Amino acid sequence: DAGVIQSPRHEVTEMGQEVTLRCKPISGHNSLFWYRQTMMRGLELLIYFNNNVPIDDSGMPEDRFSAKMPNASFSTLKIQPSEPRDSAVYFCASSLALAGASSTDTQYFGPGTRLTVL
Amino acid sequence: GQQVMQIPQYQHVQEGEDFTTYCNSSTTLSNIQWYKQRPGGHPVFLIQLVKSGEVKKQKRLTFQFGEAKKNSSLHITATQTTDVGTYFCAGHPAETSYDKVIFGPGTSLSVIP
Repeated sequence: DAGVIQSPRHEVTEMGQEVTLRCKPISGHNSLFWYRQTMMRGLELLIYFNNNVPIDDSGMPEDRFSAKMPNASFSTLKIQPSEPRDSAVYFCASSLALAGASSTDTQYFGPGTRLTVL
Repeated sequence: GQQVMQIPQYQHVQEGEDFTTYCNSSTTLSNIQWYKQRPGGHPVFLIQLVKSGEVKKQKRLTFQFGEAKKNSSLHITATQTTDVGTYFCAGHPAETSYDKVIFGPGTSLSVIP
């Protein structure tokens, strides 16, 4: 199993530019999460998809951030325009959420994308 | 809002010493998960606790879930340099119907050889 795949692994861009982060979840998983990790704020959940539908986007910082999941094997997180305070490591994670299950399923994290906005 | 806290934030131990990190939730949890993140790496799932008062062991690691299902702890016996990393607890609020967990800020463990 290839695990969760994220691209690019590193991204350096200038303030004002558009940034698109990509994620391929584990095949068969039906839940996908985007997280942002910084020293100051720790690991923050940005948005959560279940069966390709956004369920909770309350963590999305502002309108500059958007996420899509056009199919079960691909998701994107877009920042437009980017700002220096968006610099962070962005993780994508996937899990297999079983309907009616009493426990939460294990989240498998990708290697992350380290974003630097100059 | 729902919060998950962890203490301590940092812990430096001599190799061979024990280590404990504590996790506390502002709300009752249906279950709690623990993850480990090595420096420069990504969080990796360690274990999930579901039952009140549950205790689970993985070699030198002991995980506990409180009776009230609002707190948890991770204890490492005789730390090794391979234990270095940040340990996160992640709680699933009992009133949340979907598959969302709230991560604590983590405890960063350093082991001095």
